[in-house]
Amino acid sequence: NAGVTQTPKFRILKIGQSMTLQCTQDMNHNYMYWYRQDPGMGLKLIYYSVGAGITDKGEVPNGYNVSRSTTEDFPLRLELAAPSQTSVYFCASSGQGAATEAFFGQGTRLTVV
Amino acid sequence: QQQVKQSPQSLIVQKGGISIINCAYENTAFDYFPWYQQFPGKGPALLIAIRPDVSEKKEGRFTISFNKSAKQFSLHIMDSQPGDSATYFCAASMRNSGNTPLVFGKGTRLSVIA
Repeated sequence: NAGVTQTPKFRILKIGQSMTLQCTQDMNHNYMYWYRQDPGMGLKLIYYSVGAGITDKGEVPNGYNVSRSTTEDFPLRLELAAPSQTSVYFCASSGQGAATEAFFGQGTRLTVV
Repeated sequence: QQQVKQSPQSLIVQKGGISIINCAYENTAFDYFPWYQQFPGKGPALLIAIRPDVSEKKEGRFTISFNKSAKQFSLHIMDSQPGDSATYFCAASMRNSGNTPLVFGKGTRLSVIA
């Protein structure tokens, strides 16, 4: 059972480039989340989804977009990369919402230069 | 707006000692309080969680203490081991909120030294 899988694990982008961080889960979870983690700042929610076709903004959505066309996949899109988006990104999923266990992927370390 | 305040930011404990990490929350509607453990290069993983109908929950060497009136909860790690060295996050959410996601504290980096 793979759980939550994120790709790529590492990526270096130039300012202004675009990329998509991929996230897929095989647990049939309805709830999926994207967080970014910066040193000493904890986990900040970017976007989340409560089911296919439904997405909502989190605390720090600017500069990002998401889509949820299937239960399994929840890609995060960076349209115009900026140095402020240098971070470690985590995708997570949970079965019954925030008050149940969230399963995290291994993370994507993104550097924008 | 930080709804969950966690302290200390870092902690060094001798092997065999007790590690204590504290969290305070503001929203009285929160009713689910998990702790996540994260090792370097890995994603966070659920360690232990408590609901406010109990004041304490223990799982092995890990205990959550909960004080509803003070809006505080803490993680105690008894007989701390070098393998416990990790970053710990407290979090909070509402079970009946519908869609409101977890709110995380800023994390505590624990180092257990021999």
